[in-house]
Amino acid sequence: AQSVTQLDSQVPVFEEAPVELRCNYSSSVSVYLFWYVQYPNQGLQLLLKYLSGSTLVKGINGFEAEFNKSQTSFHLRKPSVHISDTAEYFCAVSENSGYALNFGKGTSLLVTP
Amino acid sequence: DAGVIQSPRHEVTEMGQEVTLRCKPISGHNSLFWYRQTMMRGLELLIYFNNNVPIDDSGMPEDRFSAKMPNASFSTLKIQPSEPRDSAVYFCASSLSGSLGEKLFFGSGTQLSVL
Repeated sequence: AQSVTQLDSQVPVFEEAPVELRCNYSSSVSVYLFWYVQYPNQGLQLLLKYLSGSTLVKGINGFEAEFNKSQTSFHLRKPSVHISDTAEYFCAVSENSGYALNFGKGTSLLVTP
Repeated sequence: DAGVIQSPRHEVTEMGQEVTLRCKPISGHNSLFWYRQTMMRGLELLIYFNNNVPIDDSGMPEDRFSAKMPNASFSTLKIQPSEPRDSAVYFCASSLSGSLGEKLFFGSGTQLSVL
């Protein structure tokens, strides 16, 4: 069985500072990895995904994530955040079946001036 | 494209009442998912449909919950009778084919409060 751990429930950061949101997973098979973002009162939107190939994945809004198989991690990064990046961020994993996304509990990113 | 449309946005009901949540997936999408979001448990997959057929309902909590997809453009999630512990945000999502690694498109959710 797979599981996803987002180590930080809340991350406060100042505008224009860099940020890293951590995600670790456990699985006995190959996985596909995703980051979704949820803005207040909205559904989730896909930020980026890793299926295969280069371990560094670039997504929308300047975010990127790096797949590290040995550490079973898929941390999300942005070099300079904006106020508008304030949202809930979810890491998700799927195994062979593909359709069943297993989500972490989310990390609340709060960007302040 | 209007995206995935859910109704109602908010539902407040009393314990024991029947609740019906509705979802219209993106036109042309063959896969539909119902998720439930709570503070305690995060996002949980309740049921997955492909081509209007339920493929996996192992996440449906108990017999009080049922979901239908009578056609490609409409799905319902029904709770009868409702209980306070059912209070959550319920999301519907759709994807083109449900294949490996495919992007999910989420609706804005239904905030359900059972008093």
